[in-house]
Amino acid sequence: DTAVSQTPKYLVTQMGNDKSIKCEQNLGHDTMYWYKQDSKKFLKIMFSYNNKELIINETVPNRFSPKSPDKAHLNLHINSLELGDSAVYFCASSLSGLRTTNEKLFFGSGTQLSVL
Amino acid sequence: GQQVMQIPQYQHVQEGEDFTTYCNSSTTLSNIQWYKQRPGGHPVFLIQLVKSGEVKKQKRLTFQFGEAKKNSSLHITATQTTDVGTYFCAGLPEGTYKYIFGTGTRLKVLA
Repeated sequence: DTAVSQTPKYLVTQMGNDKSIKCEQNLGHDTMYWYKQDSKKFLKIMFSYNNKELIINETVPNRFSPKSPDKAHLNLHINSLELGDSAVYFCASSLSGLRTTNEKLFFGSGTQLSVL
Repeated sequence: GQQVMQIPQYQHVQEGEDFTTYCNSSTTLSNIQWYKQRPGGHPVFLIQLVKSGEVKKQKRLTFQFGEAKKNSSLHITATQTTDVGTYFCAGLPEGTYKYIFGTGTRLKVLA
């Protein structure tokens, strides 16, 4: 069983479209994250949720909206897609993540988003 | 803002040679983690260092945390083709709860 799973693995779409990426973890973790990895492999955190509550919200265009229906799921919806949104988006989870300094991240396999 | 830089950005080595990547933070860190991402894969946790001057080993991999807790290194002895990938450090600045990923070092091992 995959610990952190995200779908779809590949997403090819036109500029201006709206798309969603889904993420689920079966590790029983309290905290989930979205990271963006650009073509130069730089990994940047976008959002973090702890028990469905938003705790990290980096400087991300408001076209990106995360939603956490429960602590095992964190979805990412992107409106009006732009060319610069093309990247690999990774979901991740950690055991607690809230005011702790000793936790490792478990990453999903990534979603390759290509905006044409 | 807080930054974590890694050098080199790329490294090509012959199989059997050693490899080292260095991680430098602009601020003091509570701890530092290392991750490996295989080509086409996702980052996988390798290790965490917490104490000043700490050294940890995993088989051919040696991790070190600097005395000032602002830098770290990963050294691989006698590289193998299975070591190919991008190695990231992720530092946790003191007083914060958000890891900052380094810029990564891409390692290629030539057989």
